[in-house]
Amino acid sequence: AQTVTQSQPEMSVQEAETVTLSCTYDTSENNYYLFWYKQPPSRQMILVIRQEAYKQQNATENRFSVNFQKAAKSFSLKISDSQLGDTAMYFCAFTLIQGAQKLVFGQGTRLTINP
Amino acid sequence: DARVTQTPRHKVTEMGQEVTMRCQPILGHNTVFWYRQTMMQGLELLAYFRNRAPLDDSGMPKDRFSAEMPDATLATLKIQPSEPRDSAVYFCASGLRALFSYNEQFFGPGTRLTVL
Repeated sequence: AQTVTQSQPEMSVQEAETVTLSCTYDTSENNYYLFWYKQPPSRQMILVIRQEAYKQQNATENRFSVNFQKAAKSFSLKISDSQLGDTAMYFCAFTLIQGAQKLVFGQGTRLTINP
Repeated sequence: DARVTQTPRHKVTEMGQEVTMRCQPILGHNTVFWYRQTMMQGLELLAYFRNRAPLDDSGMPKDRFSAEMPDATLATLKIQPSEPRDSAVYFCASGLRALFSYNEQFFGPGTRLTVL
């Protein structure tokens, strides 16, 4: 079974700072995807960024980037120039390419951006 | 702007009552997922449908929960009888599953259920 672990229940930074959220996962499979989802107070789940395990290049989306270390089974999210609107719960998630492609989520990190 | 819709958004009920949550997936999507979010367990998969057929409901308590897709535009999740421990946010997500690729799951806004 696959598991996802987020070791930082809460984080807080000042606006415009850079923050890194950690995630580790466990799987014996080789073909999978990793994700970071954002859940603001509205509860809506929003996909922030996706990484295919077969790609060595780290994914980036504007101010969001990941550090994917496949051997270490580590998948961290870096938010640059943080903004007040980045305040939310952030979930790391995993899915296998084959099969149901159901998402396995970590416990989440509550990120607060302070003005 | 295609979205997954869920009704109701909020539901407060008393223990023992039947609860039905509805989801309208994005038109053309062939997969539907039901997830439950609680403080203690986080986000966990309850059920999964592809082309309206239930393929995985191993995460669902069988004695009181049931999930169906009467047609391609409607998925339902029922709890009967409801218990206080069922209080949670229930998310529906839909996607377009194709071989050897990942297709994004689009989440609905969730149904916040409170069982007193």
